[in-house]
Amino acid sequence: GEDVEQSLFLSVREGDSSVINCTYTDSSSTYLYWYKQEPGAGLQLLTYIFSNMDMKQDQRLTVLLNKKDKHLSLRIADTQTGDSAIYFCAGGGSQGNLIFGKGTKLSVKP
Amino acid sequence: NAGVTQTPKFRVLKTGQSMTLLCAQDMNHEYMYWYRQDPGMGLRLIHYSVGEGTTAKGEVPDGYNVSRLKKQNFLLGLESAAPSQTSVYFCASRGQLNTGELFFGEGSRLTVL
Repeated sequence: GEDVEQSLFLSVREGDSSVINCTYTDSSSTYLYWYKQEPGAGLQLLTYIFSNMDMKQDQRLTVLLNKKDKHLSLRIADTQTGDSAIYFCAGGGSQGNLIFGKGTKLSVKP
Repeated sequence: NAGVTQTPKFRVLKTGQSMTLLCAQDMNHEYMYWYRQDPGMGLRLIHYSVGEGTTAKGEVPDGYNVSRLKKQNFLLGLESAAPSQTSVYFCASRGQLNTGELFFGEGSRLTVL
């Protein structure tokens, strides 16, 4: 089955760029997703990329997909304190659900 | 729009007690899921449903039961709670497979003493 791995912590200074990395095992996912979880809240879809794309840009967010290496990354430009959250990478599971990584906790220091 | 609503948001149980978590969605979604989130473990799928009247086991189903009698509701039951079931539970729904976004509830924090 699908396995999704990501680093657990990332700390950056306000105004810097943040890059969160993710690797996955199942290449059959049609879409790959990034979800954001703020403290005490549920997960919200941040962005996604279709599996036949290499890059997707959405304002401060850039998603890069390397299908050969099964590597997905999320870049947040000009990171703000409001971006502090846990970010989850996710791909399709065999049961129509999503398989999530363990989440990367992003801390933004002023 | 309410989206996905979970009740209750917080609950404390004693070992051996039973309880039911309710998930309701108003988006007419076919697919519904129950996940649990534990520190350092990410989200793990407990049970899921692909439509009214259907349920299936996910990755960590032991100790839980579910029912989907109405399309909009997905219930998660604990018949005899154990401390290992202390967790934050999230319900999610999805309209379409593969292309559809998962919409999450706010979570239900359960503590079993």
